[in-house]
Amino acid sequence: EDKVVQSPLSLVVHEGDTVTLNCSYEVTNFRSLLWYKQEKKAPTFLFMLTSSGIEKKSGRLSSILDKKELFSILNITATQTGDSAVYLCAVQNNAGNMLTFGGGTRLMVKP
Amino acid sequence: SAVISQKPSRDICQRGTSLTIQCQVDSQVTMMFWYRQQPGQSLTLIATANQGSEATYESGFVIDKFPISRPNLTFSTLTVSNMSPEDSSIYLCSAKSGQGAGIYSGNTIYFGEGSWLTVV
Repeated sequence: EDKVVQSPLSLVVHEGDTVTLNCSYEVTNFRSLLWYKQEKKAPTFLFMLTSSGIEKKSGRLSSILDKKELFSILNITATQTGDSAVYLCAVQNNAGNMLTFGGGTRLMVKP
Repeated sequence: SAVISQKPSRDICQRGTSLTIQCQVDSQVTMMFWYRQQPGQSLTLIATANQGSEATYESGFVIDKFPISRPNLTFSTLTVSNMSPEDSSIYLCSAKSGQGAGIYSGNTIYFGEGSWLTVV
């Protein structure tokens, strides 16, 4: 059974801090790993990672995948209060259809 | 930009009743899915909505409780039947297109805004 574990469960930081969110996985026939940000209801897509060692970057957010050690990290630099959300990691198998989600990391950024 | 729309966005339902959630995608997609997110939990896949045929349900979910329709490539419905308070959740529609450019390209799966059901 595919499994995704995120850590920490929750995190409280102050504006300007840098945070690193972790995602480890076990999946049969891995295809890709995806990061989502969930503020209210709908998860919004951040990154899709398929290859090891290639950093994906979008503004203050970046992510990298290690397919040998079966984990990914999501970095947020110079955090802002608007970064407060639950960050979800999900893995996609080779069929490409379903996602297995981790439990999420709840990030709170205080002013 | 492409949009996945769900309605209702929120509802309060009486136990024992049923509610149908609609999901409309504004472009043709190959796959549509329904997820449930119970309070404080992560997302769990309920089923894959198959166009013109019965949905494919994940372990723990059955057609009698969660009937799903997908009459065409852009629309699907999920019914939550005979609701109980344990069914209080956010129900999310998602879509994926395995081809083409744009928001639905590749294998990324995108989500609708969700439907927040409270059963009293």
